[in-house]
Amino acid sequence: DTEVTQTPKHLVMGMTNKKSLKCEQHMGHRAMYWYKQKAKKPPELMFVYSYEKLSINESVPSRFSPECPNSSLLNLHLHALQPEDSALYLCASSQPPSGSLAGELFFGEGSRLTVL
Amino acid sequence: AQSVTQLGSHVSVSEGALVLLRCNYSSSVPPYLFWYVQYPNQGLQLLLKYTTGATLVKGINGFEAEFKKSETSFHLTKPSAHMSDAAEYFCAVSPPFSGSARQLTFGSGTQLTVLP
Repeated sequence: DTEVTQTPKHLVMGMTNKKSLKCEQHMGHRAMYWYKQKAKKPPELMFVYSYEKLSINESVPSRFSPECPNSSLLNLHLHALQPEDSALYLCASSQPPSGSLAGELFFGEGSRLTVL
Repeated sequence: AQSVTQLGSHVSVSEGALVLLRCNYSSSVPPYLFWYVQYPNQGLQLLLKYTTGATLVKGINGFEAEFKKSETSFHLTKPSAHMSDAAEYFCAVSPPFSGSARQLTFGSGTQLTVLP
């Protein structure tokens, strides 16, 4: 199993709603990532979890709240978002780099978020 | 600090022609290098990677890339383009030693169009 599964694939929400994006992997990877991607742009790193602990927060606004309940799951809780937060949100996972292992990232297909 | 420059935001080739997508990097140490492909409304898929050793690396779908330290380049090539190669391609760089998670710096991307 070499998949990273993201749900939902599409989400439309109002600025006062609370919603969550979910990500799951069963590859035994111990690092998980959230990226935001606007149209025609490269992915921008938001958060990194390493061994279920938040290791990197790229100065993301607090209306985005990540959670890593266990080594296979990663959530992104959304609250009071703005229209400019509309984007493709990508989850990724990787093994810890070690020896010949590059620790490359495996990406999910993303959750397309529209904020009205 | 590391950076990646992808020359040409749009590249068009005829079906059956050579594909050449350019990537130059800046890094204080020999980095790990990656090429990812993104089809419309999908996540990123790893095409190939360079870590150490052989400088010519082969990836999926007939793509290959050559690491040239003297030119700080990692250009992606495919001898004969197929219509299904039309997609966005991202070059990414990472320091070889990055702890338990791999932090990627992405280039701005190159949109490949394949003409019939």
